[in-house]
Amino acid sequence: QKEVEQDPGPLSVPEGAIASLNCTYSNSAFQYFMWYRQYSRKGPELLMYTYSSGNKEDGRFTAQVDKSSKYISLFIRDSQPSDSATYLCAMSASTGGFKTIFGAGTRLFVKA
Amino acid sequence: EAQVTQNPRYLITVTGKKLTVTCSQNMNHEYMSWYRQDPGLGLRQIYYSMNVEVTDKGDVPEGYKVSRKEKRNFPLILESPSPNQTSLYFCASRFTGTGGEKLFFGSGTQLSVL
Repeated sequence: QKEVEQDPGPLSVPEGAIASLNCTYSNSAFQYFMWYRQYSRKGPELLMYTYSSGNKEDGRFTAQVDKSSKYISLFIRDSQPSDSATYLCAMSASTGGFKTIFGAGTRLFVKA
Repeated sequence: EAQVTQNPRYLITVTGKKLTVTCSQNMNHEYMSWYRQDPGLGLRQIYYSMNVEVTDKGDVPEGYKVSRKEKRNFPLILESPSPNQTSLYFCASRFTGTGGEKLFFGSGTQLSVL
């Protein structure tokens, strides 16, 4: 079993809709939860990070962490075609020297 | 501009021909690492370096070498490439603060080994 599981998609949503992406994990030591966005032929870029459980909002993006269920989510409101990319969840723990474990990535398509 | 620069972007080679992929960062980060990205497997760490002259294996180190002689540079060496090393490679440097860590990635090197 992988430490971090992420549905590879593809996920297709119409422009203006809410896109919902999620990951599950097995290691309860994870404390830091990140979402990276990767455009085609580019390196991943950090989009959101949260520490422990709770919600974090940044513009159209909301990250949620439920440590009791070992489940994290990223919501993109008012999705735009420019949001079409691969989204990778990532996690780390200070006990592990902050080694980052990535999910496989979900490919998102936003149709105009 | 803060960035991680890796070269080349694309590389086609043949089995057994030694190659080096260069990586350089201008953010004075101590930690650098190499990843490979394969469909369905996500990003897997090959090697990492905590500082100059300090390197260690990641999850998939077989067939790779690294060196860290200067803080800004972290080259990846394939001494005898094989077809199963065909992949998309990323170099990254890391900033760690009180709020957690942030990885800065290069633009990637698409390697094909024939």
